[in-house]
Amino acid sequence: KAGVTQTPRYLIKTRGQQVTLSCSPISGHRSVSWYQQTPGQGLQFLFEYFSETQRNKGNFPGRFSGRQFSNSRSEMNVSTLELGDSALYLCASSLALSTWGKFFGQGTRLTVV
Amino acid sequence: AQSVTQLDSQVPVFEEAPVELRCNYSSSVSVYLFWYVQYPNQGLQLLLKYLSGSTLVESINGFEAEFNKSQTSFHLRKPSVHISDTAEYFCAVQGGSEKLVFGKGTKLTVNP
Repeated sequence: KAGVTQTPRYLIKTRGQQVTLSCSPISGHRSVSWYQQTPGQGLQFLFEYFSETQRNKGNFPGRFSGRQFSNSRSEMNVSTLELGDSALYLCASSLALSTWGKFFGQGTRLTVV
Repeated sequence: AQSVTQLDSQVPVFEEAPVELRCNYSSSVSVYLFWYVQYPNQGLQLLLKYLSGSTLVESINGFEAEFNKSQTSFHLRKPSVHISDTAEYFCAVQGGSEKLVFGKGTKLTVNP
């Protein structure tokens, strides 16, 4: 069974631009969560989607948004990028909402210059 | 709400020595507890989990962790580490329908 796939692996963007990251969950998994990882703040929860609906949300500004499609694939969008948005963005999938056993992708390394 | 404290940000040890990575959590509800490992430029891999039952849980590569409810701890141990165990280790807690909450991580460096 294929694992969680995140694309692209690396991304360089300029301040003020927007970016879209993609996550394909493990087959059969219907819940997708997103995390931001930085050296200073560690792993911070962004949001969780289940059945195309956002079910949980972390404390991030509205510039961070996401969506989930009917095939459970998810995208995360960050608008008006700031230097502080440089981070590793991790996606995790699980069978259902907030069940144990979240499986993580390799992450997308976003660098904002 | 849940929170996790990993007491050591960095732990250096020599190969074949024992190691303990400490984790304490706070929660007002029953929780699931996890240890994840992250190798450089990789995502997180689930190392082991406590859901219920036996308080001592083990991974396939020799790590073990013990759930201690009275001390609200879930420390990770390995009796003899290898160079390949060098990585960052994250303790995480999940309670009820809450999201997964991570500690700040402990960087384990195994020296020859």
